[in-house]
Amino acid sequence: TQLLEQSPQFLSIQEGENLTVYCNSSSVFSSLQWYRQEPGEGPVLLVTVVTGGEVKKLKRLTFQFGDARKDSSLHITAAQTGDTGLYLCAGSPAGNNRKLIWGLGTSLAVNP
Amino acid sequence: KAGVTQTPRYLIKTRGQQVTLSCSPISGHRSVSWYQQTPGQGLQFLFEYFSETQRNKGNFPGRFSGRQFSNSRSEMNVSTLELGDSALYLCASSLEGAPGNEQFFGPGTRLTVL
Repeated sequence: TQLLEQSPQFLSIQEGENLTVYCNSSSVFSSLQWYRQEPGEGPVLLVTVVTGGEVKKLKRLTFQFGDARKDSSLHITAAQTGDTGLYLCAGSPAGNNRKLIWGLGTSLAVNP
Repeated sequence: KAGVTQTPRYLIKTRGQQVTLSCSPISGHRSVSWYQQTPGQGLQFLFEYFSETQRNKGNFPGRFSGRQFSNSRSEMNVSTLELGDSALYLCASSLEGAPGNEQFFGPGTRLTVL
């Protein structure tokens, strides 16, 4: 069974702090996506990473795909209250681009 | 481009009833997927439709069904509702050939079964 494990499950920090959340698997993925979901809304795609070792930056967010394409991390610098939400990772297994495996998410609360 | 729209946004039903949810994908997107989201189980894949055909199916009972129309709009139906069907139902559209099968989600339909 292919699984994506996200950690931590919950995170509560103060505005201005840095944080990293993780998405890990024992399986290889051809690509991996990160989404952010706010309460009562659908997830919004943040980034797709496709190359092992790839690093992508989106303002204060830095995404990294592991060299072996089995894991990914999301680092947020100087968190803001607007970063609050559920962060989900989803991966396309190698050899099956039409399938998406979803993690359970990291629920982030950034307090003023 | 307009985003994915879902109707209705909120729905309250009682056990045993049936419900139909609607989804309009982003213009040009021919793939529509449906998900059930609950706090304990996360996002659970229901099914995917492409060009009016069900292309993939998750592990849900036959009470859950769907269809897609020629304009790519999709509906899902749940019959004989159970309390455990209370959830946020999300529809997502994607562009065929997009890297990683990127999903663009609607706001969801919050279904409460009493």
